[in-house]
Amino acid sequence: ETGVTQSPTHLIKTRGQQVTLRCSSQSGHNTVSWYQQALGQGPQFIFQYYREEENGRGNFPPRFSGLQFPNYSSELNVNALELDDSALYLCASTLGRGYTEAFFGQGTRLTVV
Amino acid sequence: GNSVTQMEGPVTLSEEAFLTINCTYTATGYPSLFWYVQYPGEGLQLLLKATKADDKGSNKGFEATYRKETTSFHLEKGSVQVSDSAVYFCALTENDYKLSFGAGTTVTVRA
Repeated sequence: ETGVTQSPTHLIKTRGQQVTLRCSSQSGHNTVSWYQQALGQGPQFIFQYYREEENGRGNFPPRFSGLQFPNYSSELNVNALELDDSALYLCASTLGRGYTEAFFGQGTRLTVV
Repeated sequence: GNSVTQMEGPVTLSEEAFLTINCTYTATGYPSLFWYVQYPGEGLQLLLKATKADDKGSNKGFEATYRKETTSFHLEKGSVQVSDSAVYFCALTENDYKLSFGAGTTVTVRA
């Protein structure tokens, strides 16, 4: 069991609304990455935060944004929700920017109706 | 860019059967390779990894060998159990800021 916790575990939103998802990283880890996993697919990289700065971004529109706080926890914000945003959102906690040892949270299941 | 192709599922096996899940990759350099497992309703757990050619990763009876010549990292287990039922993901990173995952292979083991 990892020390990465995500909240909430499930969420239902209406198209056009905004949502904030939260992730607390593993103790001692300073990097958080976010992934979107659509049903039946592999996770897709959204972005990474290292020491409170965005360190890289995948092919997601600007309405996906994030923050990392001084305690290295992180938020993922999605504006103007679309039906296709329905997915499991995973965060991964690592020490440094590489992936030698990454721990994933259990995910937040977002449903957009 | 980097990409991972893994065997499509679903795969259904009887207990104690041999499991192989094929994974091949495309990368510009020398990636690190991973297998992650996702149990129902849970996030991803690292199963095993290999960071250079000919390395063998192993854990919980699972093994995979990094084959640079065939750009492959096939997952094997000699005798599966019902508790191995899960979705398995092959992934790679070139030590940059992201993991690239395959589409996943669903494995169901019947008693």
